[in-house]
Amino acid sequence: DAGVIQSPRHEVTEMGQEVTLRCKPISGHNSLFWYRQTMMRGLELLIYFNNNVPIDDSGMPEDRFSAKMPNASFSTLKIQPSEPRDSAVYFCASLYAGEQYFGPGTRLTVT
Amino acid sequence: RKEVEQDPGPFNVPEGATVAFNCTYSNSASQSFFWYRQDCRKEPKLLMSVYSSGNEDGRFTAQLNRASQYISLLIRDSKLSDSATYLCVGAKAAGNKLTFGGGTRVLVKP
Repeated sequence: DAGVIQSPRHEVTEMGQEVTLRCKPISGHNSLFWYRQTMMRGLELLIYFNNNVPIDDSGMPEDRFSAKMPNASFSTLKIQPSEPRDSAVYFCASLYAGEQYFGPGTRLTVT
Repeated sequence: RKEVEQDPGPFNVPEGATVAFNCTYSNSASQSFFWYRQDCRKEPKLLMSVYSSGNEDGRFTAQLNRASQYISLLIRDSKLSDSATYLCVGAKAAGNKLTFGGGTRVLVKP
């Protein structure tokens, strides 16, 4: 199994631009999680889905952030418009048998 | 106050030595606990779950003290490859909505 796949691995964009991060969970995993990691705030849960349905989005920082999971094998996290303070590593994880498996992350830099 | 708190370190450990560190959690946080390991510029990976009775996995021993609300991790016979950040994690239900501590950095030196 290829594990959780995220793309792009690195993204550099200018303030005000739209950014879309993508995630393919491990096949058969029914829960998907989006996290953000920064030096200042550590690893924070943004939103998670069970069976493609958003369960808890209380960690989404503001309306500029949105996430979708149109099917069991794909999810997106969108930031529109992006701001420099959104610079972070964004991880996607999927859940099986009580263990979360993280993807390699997308390193986002907003200038 | 954060739900899960850790000493950020770094803990500088001579190779072969034993190192132990704790994390504390608030009462409302979690019922299940885990230790994750994160290498520099990599994703977190599950190291071990933590059980009330304590559990051991090779050189690693985890303990949970519910009365004092802390979790510990002990590494025996430290290897250079143990250098990483160790994340203490709580969950309200098994596997769902993990709450991460800030991590404890461990550096094992020859």
